[in-house]
Amino acid sequence: DAKTTQPPSMDCAEGRAANLPCNHSTISGNEYVYWYRQIHSQGPQYIIHGLKNNETNEMASLIITEDRKSSTLILPHATLRDTAVYYCIVNDMRFGAGTRLTVKP
Amino acid sequence: DGGITQSPKYLFRKEGQNVTLSCEQNLNHDAMYWYRQDPGQGLRLIYYSQIVNDFQKGDIAEGYSVSREKKESFPLTVTSAQKNPTAFYLCASSPLGVRNTIYFGEGSWLTVV
Repeated sequence: DAKTTQPPSMDCAEGRAANLPCNHSTISGNEYVYWYRQIHSQGPQYIIHGLKNNETNEMASLIITEDRKSSTLILPHATLRDTAVYYCIVNDMRFGAGTRLTVKP
Repeated sequence: DGGITQSPKYLFRKEGQNVTLSCEQNLNHDAMYWYRQDPGQGLRLIYYSQIVNDFQKGDIAEGYSVSREKKESFPLTVTSAQKNPTAFYLCASSPLGVRNTIYFGEGSWLTVV
């Protein structure tokens, strides 16, 4: 079983920030949190990863709580093209069901 | 360009026939993976390999077989023993180690009629 828990679906208005949560309460000290997204009928695409500190790249920001038991992926200005399934995994090859994000006009 | 190539993109087979899906990577990654995805569902791990000539069963290996004779190649055979083989199949690869971003191919659609 996947080591993470995510809500099955979320909606977000276009242009607003999308905040996608992930719980990983059993994470161990040297395990990284990874986020991927999958647009329909394509292979998942890497977005960002982190260990303890918050991370930001051109696609998104990753906020990891101090106890590392949860994290939030932030898409700062969501567009219609961000509609996808987002997966959070912890140093593992197993993906759960992810969160289906729908960005609405 | 570096990446993972899956072929064919679309494949139709009659029930009872074995079919082999190809996966090739030129990223020099040690680890390779096969996943199955059914409509509206997440990815389920079929097999993985961390080194040439060795592979491990994932969560749904029954009815599937793999080989890893070369580092860059990890073909998946869907056998007639797989009860419901129609699905989207994804191949992936990654370096080994603590930090192991997984890179995916574009997938293969298998329809068994």
